[in-house]
Amino acid sequence: QVQLQESGPGLVKPSETLSLTCTDSGYSISSGDYWGWIRQPPGKGLEWIGSTSHSGSTYYNPSLKSRVTISLDTSKNQFSLKLTSVTAADTAIYFCARHTIASPDSHTGIYNWFDPWGQGTLVTVSS
Amino acid sequence: QSVLTQPPSASGTPGQRVTISCSGSTSNIGRNTVNWYLQLPGTAPKLLIYNSNQRPSGVPGRFTGSKSGTSASLAISGLQSEDEADYYCATWDDSLNGPVFGGGTKLTVL
Repeated sequence: QVQLQESGPGLVKPSETLSLTCTDSGYSISSGDYWGWIRQPPGKGLEWIGSTSHSGSTYYNPSLKSRVTISLDTSKNQFSLKLTSVTAADTAIYFCARHTIASPDSHTGIYNWFDPWGQGTLVTVSS
Repeated sequence: QSVLTQPPSASGTPGQRVTISCSGSTSNIGRNTVNWYLQLPGTAPKLLIYNSNQRPSGVPGRFTGSKSGTSASLAISGLQSEDEADYYCATWDDSLNGPVFGGGTKLTVL
C-alpha cells in the first residue's frame, strides 16, 4: 500500500531553490506508475506541477517547466521536486502523489488520476 | 483562471441530492476521462471518482460521476454533514499535455 510523506524546508528565500522530497513507505516507486507534485496556494485551488516515471518519461506544467525538475531516487524509494528562482507566488502547500496515466485506446482518450496523496507540506517564500 | 469551470459554491440540506458541474472543452473533458477529488478542511485531496464514473474502493455509492460532451457532473445523494468539503474536478488536457483541475466547489450542508 502506498503511503507518501513530503519533507523539506518550510521557508525558502526569494530567488532561491525550493527542494522537497517525497518518501513512499509502502510501495516501490520503480513500478510502472508516475509520481507527481501538485501545489495549492493558501485558500486557493490545485495546480499540477509535474510528474515523472521510473522509465524516465516526464511531464511538466508548461507554466513552470523552465524552473522545475522532478526526479526519482529508487535506492531510497523517494522522488523529489526542485523549483528554482522562487517568488512569493510560489508560497503554497505542496503535495506529492502517485499519478496513474494510461491511454488504452484513441476512443477513450487518456486516463489519469492522483491517488494516494501525501499529507502536504507548507512552503513559504519570504526573506 | 482554471481550465475547467466549476461553480464556486453549492449547498444542500441533509438527505438532499446535490449536483456539482464541471465544464471544459474539446481538448480536455471532450476527449479524456474525468476525476473528482474531495478535500476536507486542512487535509489532502482524496480521489472520489476516476474514469468519469468509477468509485475507488471505500467510496460510498452516494457519490456518482457522469460525463457528457465537454461537461461532467458529480452527484451526491443522501447528503450528510460530513460531505461538507471542497470538491475538484480534473482531467487530462491534450493542449497542455498534462492534467488540469477545476477551481473547486465548496459544498455547504445547511
